[in-house]
Amino acid sequence: QVQLVQSGAEVKKPGASVKVSCKASGYSFMNHNIIWVRQAAGQGLELVGWMSPHNIKARLAQKFQGRVTMTGDSSIGTAYMELSSLRSEDTAVYYCARGAQGGWYFDLWGRGTLVTVSS
Amino acid sequence: QSVLTQPPSTSGTPGQRVTISCSGSSSNIGSNTVSWYQQLPGAAPKLLIFSNNQRPSGVPDRFSGSKSGTSASLAISGLQSEDEADYYCTTWDDSPNGWVFGGGTKVTVL
Repeated sequence: QVQLVQSGAEVKKPGASVKVSCKASGYSFMNHNIIWVRQAAGQGLELVGWMSPHNIKARLAQKFQGRVTMTGDSSIGTAYMELSSLRSEDTAVYYCARGAQGGWYFDLWGRGTLVTVSS
Repeated sequence: QSVLTQPPSTSGTPGQRVTISCSGSSSNIGSNTVSWYQQLPGAAPKLLIFSNNQRPSGVPDRFSGSKSGTSASLAISGLQSEDEADYYCTTWDDSPNGWVFGGGTKVTVL
């Protein structure tokens, strides 16, 4: 079955870091970019950044530069997004999505990972 | 403040046709293709329309997309109760390089 399987919910304290995983299943991990998007409760979608599994080169939205690291492990077909120096405003559902081959859209989404930042 | 502008909400009765607009600029919609996503309550977004007006397999033909200049639209004809969801437009922005999203439109079926 073609899917993206994300890691489970996390609760973190302010200042800590969180690492969310996104495992590709049923397709070749190397053939598609992975994009990360977050959604705070009741809010819209916000781009975090995206990564090419080929060269693990990540591009981040400006507001996340310096706080987000995106990596991948092609041997297990998994992408990771690590967010550091967490603050309450980072509380959100984090989604990974697959970039379509040859197209500028996202054709497969993970179910999301809730990250809660609370003291 | 989203780069792409969508109306916050719209509504219709079953069977009606509703449209959702998505307004951008020359660096995003004016230069690149638009995709639309449906997000049902409590679920992840799902691809609805790609390349301005193409439907993935499995998406009913009640959903259609169009683009003109720096704006795009999503139309839902024959509105059904299961269409009640949030809808987002997105495209690539050449300046700065990156994807941009609309703020989302909540469709309510009366």
